[in-house]
Amino acid sequence: DQQVKQNSPSLSVQEGRISILNCDYTNSMFDYFLWYKKYPAEGPTFLISISSIKDKNEDGRFTVFLNKSAKHLSLHIVPSQPGDSAVYFCAASAETSGSRLTFGEGTQLTVNP
Amino acid sequence: NAGVTQTPKFQVLKTGQSMTLQCAQDMNHEYMSWYRQDPGMGLRLIHYSVGAGITDQGEVPNGYNVSRSTTEDFPLRLLSAAPSQTSVYFCASSDRQGVYTEAFFGQGTRLTVV
Repeated sequence: DQQVKQNSPSLSVQEGRISILNCDYTNSMFDYFLWYKKYPAEGPTFLISISSIKDKNEDGRFTVFLNKSAKHLSLHIVPSQPGDSAVYFCAASAETSGSRLTFGEGTQLTVNP
Repeated sequence: NAGVTQTPKFQVLKTGQSMTLQCAQDMNHEYMSWYRQDPGMGLRLIHYSVGAGITDQGEVPNGYNVSRSTTEDFPLRLLSAAPSQTSVYFCASSDRQGVYTEAFFGQGTRLTVV
């Protein structure tokens, strides 16, 4: 039972344009959502997060949107840069499960110069 | 700052061999966990620990053991390696004082079982 799903294995965008990565979840107990970025041969690094009491969180070029009724979140990167090319993982946690994270499958983003 | 350190970075094992993947963190984090990453499956939780002396199973615990004798270290033991355990393993830590906090990951151990 995949509780967090990223349905797009890959996404390709042009430099300067917007990248939109999507994530869906099924567990209504999830109340904290995170995005991680992973380069080859490195561990995932934290990018941005959002609590379920908010519907938007912004940090520089990165914005995460949360639609609780649809159990959907998205990560927007504007403008996209070649250095953003990486695998992006969506993750979720529930207060009742402490710091346990449930990850999606990941989306490979390629930003073309 | 070292953060989360995993050793070794690469390992090849024969079926049936045992080994220990090491993980150490220097951030005084209470919560530590082990994940495995397989193609198309994201990261799946193997075992986790909420503090020294306390461990629990995650989503895919079979074939693995853990212990947490100190706050800093959280080794993962493969008892009898199988080809299905070929994967990339990541150790992570977080400050459980804040539930809504991100986890910090090590660089990973790429394990191949032949």
